[in-house]
Amino acid sequence: SQQGEEDPQALSIQEGENATMNCSYKTSINNLQWYRQNSGRGLVHLILIRSNEREKHSGRLRVTLDTSKKSSSLLITASRAADTASYFCATPNTGGFKTIFGAGTRLFVKA
Amino acid sequence: NAGVTQTPKFRVLKTGQSMTLLCAQDMNHEYMYWYRQDPGMGLRLIHYSVGEGTTAKGEVPDGYNVSRLKKQNFLLGLESAAPSQTSVYFCASSYSYGGRGGTGELFFGEGSRLTVL
Repeated sequence: SQQGEEDPQALSIQEGENATMNCSYKTSINNLQWYRQNSGRGLVHLILIRSNEREKHSGRLRVTLDTSKKSSSLLITASRAADTASYFCATPNTGGFKTIFGAGTRLFVKA
Repeated sequence: NAGVTQTPKFRVLKTGQSMTLLCAQDMNHEYMYWYRQDPGMGLRLIHYSVGEGTTAKGEVPDGYNVSRLKKQNFLLGLESAAPSQTSVYFCASSYSYGGRGGTGELFFGEGSRLTVL
């Protein structure tokens, strides 16, 4: 079963706009991670937020975590055409050995 | 430093044929994973390993077998391929796991695209 579910499934914006993607999960977590996948490539780790953190920044990325709502959001500010990719949230299962991925959000940034 | 390398990158099989996908990592990671990615379904965990000589089942293990004879290698085998196994397969490794304060950050290979006719 899917631990993380992203919303929206697809997002199309203009270059320079902000892109927000949301993720919901079902069980208690130690951390939540976001990954990016360019077309035809492997996934690349973007950012990790621990369960005792509420917000984290990395360059143009901002991640928030609300453990009471079991949800997270990824904000990409001032998007660029190169940000066009699929974005996945991922959470370790309760035992911690397995990382479960959602179905992802496909972001298209128009130049 | 190559990271995680998967071979082959592409393969076409006929139903009933067998094959092995090889994953090699040069980061001395303990944990290794095989995922499959299908359109609209994200990544699903097939099998994983928490160390040399160990393997465990993930979400969708049926029809696959794995071996971890050396720490750096994780092999995924299909004994009798079926069209339902047409997918893109990703290997990943990690230094730690997500429980007990570890991060469980995954490093992925570039994928192996398998078509079963």
